[in-house]
Amino acid sequence: DAGVIQSPRHEVTEMGQEVTLRCKPISGHDYLFWYRQTMMRGLELLIYFNNNVPIDDSGMPEDRFSAKMPNASFSTLKIQPSEPRDSAVYFCASSLEDRGLCEQYFGPGTRLTVT
Amino acid sequence: KQEVTQIPAALSVPEGENLVLNCSFTDSAIYNLQWFRQDPGKGLTSLLLIQSSQREQTSGRLNASLDKSSGRSTLYIAASQPGDSATYLCAVSRGGADGLTFGKGTHLIIQP
Repeated sequence: DAGVIQSPRHEVTEMGQEVTLRCKPISGHDYLFWYRQTMMRGLELLIYFNNNVPIDDSGMPEDRFSAKMPNASFSTLKIQPSEPRDSAVYFCASSLEDRGLCEQYFGPGTRLTVT
Repeated sequence: KQEVTQIPAALSVPEGENLVLNCSFTDSAIYNLQWFRQDPGKGLTSLLLIQSSQREQTSGRLNASLDKSSGRSTLYIAASQPGDSATYLCAVSRGGADGLTFGKGTHLIIQP
């Protein structure tokens, strides 16, 4: 398996623009997570899905952020409008619950810069 | 709210040494604890996962222990090598399939 795939790997955009980050989880995994990493705050959970249904979105910082999972093999994280403080590395991770074990596998991340 | 702390924040040791990285968490009601490695500009690589009912897990030169009641975990690296240089992250979950709460990591440098 190719692992978790994220695109784009780098995104530079101007303040006010819409940004869409994409994720393809590992085939067969039933959980998908979105995290954000910054120097100040470290890694933080934004939202996660189980079988394409959002379970916990309490980490989504503002209404400007939204996430969808239209099917088992694709998820998007959208920021509209983007702001400079959204600059961070965004990671997608997936896992398969197996008798209580739920090891998470991370993608390479998308480095977002908002100018 | 769960808080995860990793000590030290940075560590530099000569090649060949055995070393211990520490992780503590404030809420002992965890389900899993996972150790990751992150190389500069890269994603996270899972190293070891310990369920709350377990005391330790081993993989090669790595051994992770868990003391749930005291809210601590350690990652032991035997016979360190320059290729072990990376940031090591500890993370815990409330439930089996819950999101992870991460520490800020230990930045490790192994000098050749």
